[in-house]
Amino acid sequence: KAGVTQTPRYLIKTRGQQVTLSCSPISGHRSVSWYQQTPGQGLQFLFEYFSETQRNKGNFPGRFSGRQFSNSRSEMNVSTLELGDSALYLCASSLLGGYQETQYFGPGTRLLVL
Amino acid sequence: EDQVTQSPEALRLQEGESSSLNCSYTVSGLRGLFWYRQDPGKGPEFLFTLYSAGEEKEKERLKATLTKKESFLHITAPKPEDSATYLCAVQAVGGSYIPTFGRGTSLIVHP
Repeated sequence: KAGVTQTPRYLIKTRGQQVTLSCSPISGHRSVSWYQQTPGQGLQFLFEYFSETQRNKGNFPGRFSGRQFSNSRSEMNVSTLELGDSALYLCASSLLGGYQETQYFGPGTRLLVL
Repeated sequence: EDQVTQSPEALRLQEGESSSLNCSYTVSGLRGLFWYRQDPGKGPEFLFTLYSAGEEKEKERLKATLTKKESFLHITAPKPEDSATYLCAVQAVGGSYIPTFGRGTSLIVHP
């Protein structure tokens, strides 16, 4: 069974631009979560989608948004990029999302904002 | 607020030198505790899930144990390929099922 895939793997943008990252979950998984990982803050939860609806949201500004499509694929968008948005963005999928379910992570998208 | 603290932050071992990584947590009640391994520039790879105190799970040179306040990841006779960052995450009772992650322990095993 194919794992979680993320595209692109690497991205370089300049301040003020916007970016869209894509995530395809494991086949059959309907819950998709997004995380930001930086050396200083570790793994921080952005949001979770299930059945095309945002079900949980972390403590990030409104510049960070996402959506999920009917095939469970998800995208996240960051508008008006700031230098501090440079990070590894990770997508994780699970069957339904819920207690005691394991999240499986993709390889991540490395975003560098100049 | 749920808290997960991993120690040490970094650990250097010689090949064959066994050791343990610690994950202590403060939650109202534990639903599940997860261990992941993360190689540089890659996404976390799932290792174990533990649900209740006293539970143990093993995989090759790794063994995870759980008490009411902490979990240990024991590494027996490590090899250089065990070098990675090990992350711990918890799901708490009564809160969101979104897991809270620790900062991780960076392990380097020298040949």
